[in-house]
Amino acid sequence: DVKVTQSSRYLVKRTGEKVFLECVQDMDHENMFWYRQDPGLGLRLIYFSYDVKMKEKGDIPEGYSVSREKKERFSLILESASTNQTSMYLCASTEGQGVSEQYFGPGTRLTVT
Amino acid sequence: KNEVEQSPQNLTAQEGEFITINCSYSVGISALHWLQQHPGGGIVSLFMLSSGKKKHGRLIATINIQEKHSSLHITASHPRDSAVYICAPRGGRDDKIIFGKGTRLHILP
Repeated sequence: DVKVTQSSRYLVKRTGEKVFLECVQDMDHENMFWYRQDPGLGLRLIYFSYDVKMKEKGDIPEGYSVSREKKERFSLILESASTNQTSMYLCASTEGQGVSEQYFGPGTRLTVT
Repeated sequence: KNEVEQSPQNLTAQEGEFITINCSYSVGISALHWLQQHPGGGIVSLFMLSSGKKKHGRLIATINIQEKHSSLHITASHPRDSAVYICAPRGGRDDKIIFGKGTRLHILP
């Protein structure tokens, strides 16, 4: 079974803090994604990566950055957390190019106070 | 106009009822995913289809490429089917996945 894990299920941070959300997949997938999910808005793509050290902006990259130093790990960074970044963050991975199943992590519910 | 429209947004039904969730999209697609998210839980991929019909247990997904429409059916629904179901076609100019806002299903015992 493909396993996508995220470092925390719940996080509470203060405004202005730097926040790291970690995602690890164990199936040698090339593609990894970070989404946020908000009520009434559905899932929105923040950043994605098709290869190590490669990153592409999604639909809502502002206020976020990412790092992919190793194939299995994709990190989402909030340089200076703000209250409007309170959300559920979901990581996902897929193999290779073309059409393939997307596997999701359990999600991290981040609250910024 | 949203690129992906799901209906209904919310659905409450009695155990045993036949459930249909609809998804319409406006872009050309290479595939369409149906996803399930339980309360507080992660997201699980139920189906990925690009034509015709797929069946897995009590779940059936159909797609009509010409009409840009897909349906997810649940037969003999059960309270454990209570979840949010998300339609996610892949396509458009960038061939990326576009997520619907989801249908919240609640099955009463």
